[in-house]
Amino acid sequence: QQQVKQSPQSLIVQKGGISIINCAYENTAFDYFPWYQQFPGKGPALLIAIRPDVSEKKEGRFTISFNKSAKQFSLHIMDSQPGDSATYFCAASTGGKLIFGQGTELSVKP
Amino acid sequence: NAGVMQNPRHLVRRRGQEARLRCSPMKGHSHVYWYRQLPEEGLKFMVYLQKENIIDESGMPKERFSAEFPKEGPSILRIQQVVRGDSAAYFCASSPPASLHTDTQYFGPGTRLTVL
Repeated sequence: QQQVKQSPQSLIVQKGGISIINCAYENTAFDYFPWYQQFPGKGPALLIAIRPDVSEKKEGRFTISFNKSAKQFSLHIMDSQPGDSATYFCAASTGGKLIFGQGTELSVKP
Repeated sequence: NAGVMQNPRHLVRRRGQEARLRCSPMKGHSHVYWYRQLPEEGLKFMVYLQKENIIDESGMPKERFSAEFPKEGPSILRIQQVVRGDSAAYFCASSPPASLHTDTQYFGPGTRLTVL
């Protein structure tokens, strides 16, 4: 019940394309859903986050879509750039601790 | 405004030694979290602390691991009698007080522990 399942495990996108990463959860008590970006050898950096009372949130090229009834949420990266190549983690939390998905390694080809 | 600071960045220990990892939260943050990232895996929650209190240690191994966040000074994650399976990246995160957005956690650069 505490799991967050993330897919795909890896993703290759052409420059300018749309990258889409999906996550699913079981625990309906989760009330905060952030996405983190991590480059090799670095700590995770918060990208964007959403709460379940909102179905979509957009910040620049990054959009979270949230489907409360399906218990799914996704990250869309528009106009993907080579500099976006990194590992992306979704997470869910309630009461403080973050439960992370397994990560998606994104590679954007020039 | 300095971010979350962790030291050392790299730590090498031999089996049976002790490892001490330090974390200084962002200025004004009173909540600290520790996560472990094994090679090729996601981050796993270990422990959640406030000043002088352990709030949630449900992810902490029962033996050899301990954490503290004293009134003064950094948070410490202590691993006694390290084994090769403890080799991982250990990340600290901090978040603002409960009156603000406690859920928003900011991560440090991590300490990469290698056990020989």
